Amino acid sequence: EIVLTQSPGTLSLSPGERATLSCRASQSVSSNFLAWFQQKPGQAPRLLIYGASTRATGIPDRFSGSGSGTAFTLTISRLEPEDFAVYYCQQYGSSPRTFGQGTKVDIK
Amino acid sequence: QVQLQQWGAGLLKPSETLSLTCGVYGGPFSGYYWTWIRQPPGKGLEWIGEINYSGGTNYNPSLKSRVTISVDTSKNQFSLKLSSVTAADTAVYYCARGPFLFTSQVGVGYWGQGTLVTVSS
Repeated sequence: EIVLTQSPGTLSLSPGERATLSCRASQSVSSNFLAWFQQKPGQAPRLLIYGASTRATGIPDRFSGSGSGTAFTLTISRLEPEDFAVYYCQQYGSSPRTFGQGTKVDIK
Repeated sequence: QVQLQQWGAGLLKPSETLSLTCGVYGGPFSGYYWTWIRQPPGKGLEWIGEINYSGGTNYNPSLKSRVTISVDTSKNQFSLKLSSVTAADTAVYYCARGPFLFTSQVGVGYWGQGTLVTVSS
């Protein structure tokens, strides 16, 4: 089973700042099948990025994903008020599919 | 607009079987992988399992002995059964579409609204 470790656990930033979230895998993620999700309280997760770097339909271009192998990054170029949420990475290149434990981005 | 709508019992007693169904509306059903994910209160996401376009299933080993995912293509629905539930199975359960369409990745882009299932005597 691939273990995904996200860091930091919490990121305290101000609107307009840049957010950089990390997701590290215990072994290489096959075909870079790595996704990022955003989740707000009481809501289902929302797909942001799949295939490590492909933005999902309707996702603003301030969200970008990068990385390969075992190291992946989600970058939010300039935080908008609606971006404060919990972010999860997920690998779907091997079974069982696994999620990271999440990074909370909160307002400083 | 694709919508996933899920339903099933929200309160169970220990040892009972959890049963949830997810209906897919406004979009194609065939070709996709269909997934179940759960989230205990205040905690992270846990992948339960998936069923693919040919009916093949793939389960989380931690739940495999108790999980069954099935599909009814005539109704554009798929279902989750989890037997012998305990308090540890208390969670919000989500159905979702993806991560593949046939062999192409599409991500898990559409989710149901979530169902809180509470296991309590």
